[in-house]
Amino acid sequence: SQKIEQNSEALNIQEGKTATLTCNYTNYSPAYLQWYRQDPGRGPVFLLLIRENEKEKRKERLKVTFDTTLKQSLFHITASQPADSATYLCALPNTGNQFYFGTGTSLTVIP
Amino acid sequence: EADIYQTPRYLVIGTGKKITLECSQTMGHDKMYWYQQDPGMELHLIHYSYGVNSTEKGDLSSESTVSRIRTEHFPLTLESARPSHTSQYLCASSEYRGLSSGNTEAFFGQGTRLTVV
Repeated sequence: SQKIEQNSEALNIQEGKTATLTCNYTNYSPAYLQWYRQDPGRGPVFLLLIRENEKEKRKERLKVTFDTTLKQSLFHITASQPADSATYLCALPNTGNQFYFGTGTSLTVIP
Repeated sequence: EADIYQTPRYLVIGTGKKITLECSQTMGHDKMYWYQQDPGMELHLIHYSYGVNSTEKGDLSSESTVSRIRTEHFPLTLESARPSHTSQYLCASSEYRGLSSGNTEAFFGQGTRLTVV
């Protein structure tokens, strides 16, 4: 099965800086990768999807890259705000097209 | 706001009771999922469904069962609850576009926090 690893350490950054989160995966290469945001006690909320033939995807202050050679995705939040504080999850489909999620990275943006 | 609803939001029950966690979606999605998540831990897929009359077990072994009699409804049942079942249960749905295109994004419910005492 797919193994997905994200920054295990919580990430604390100053407001206005760029946060960069990492998602590494092993085994087969997925056709696409997704990023979600999860607030405490709530279900994840979809943010971005990037396909294997796309190197980069942007949405407002969010940017995702997908390096199929390195088997890695980077998730960037530019001009970070305290409201961006949450846990961010990457998700990949397995060979049966079920979603599997990484452990998540907790981000705190300090005012 | 996603149109997927879970009830109850919180549930505290005694050991040995039978419980059903409800999940409904109004988006007409074929695929539905149940995940289990302990505080601060990753989501584990316990059940999924491709559509009506389809149910499959996920990677994490679970003593729960599911049914899919209607597209919009995907309830999860525990016949005899135990303290080890204490966890958050998250239901999700997605549109399935076939093997080549895969799934669209998953929409999650608010979750049911289950405590078995």
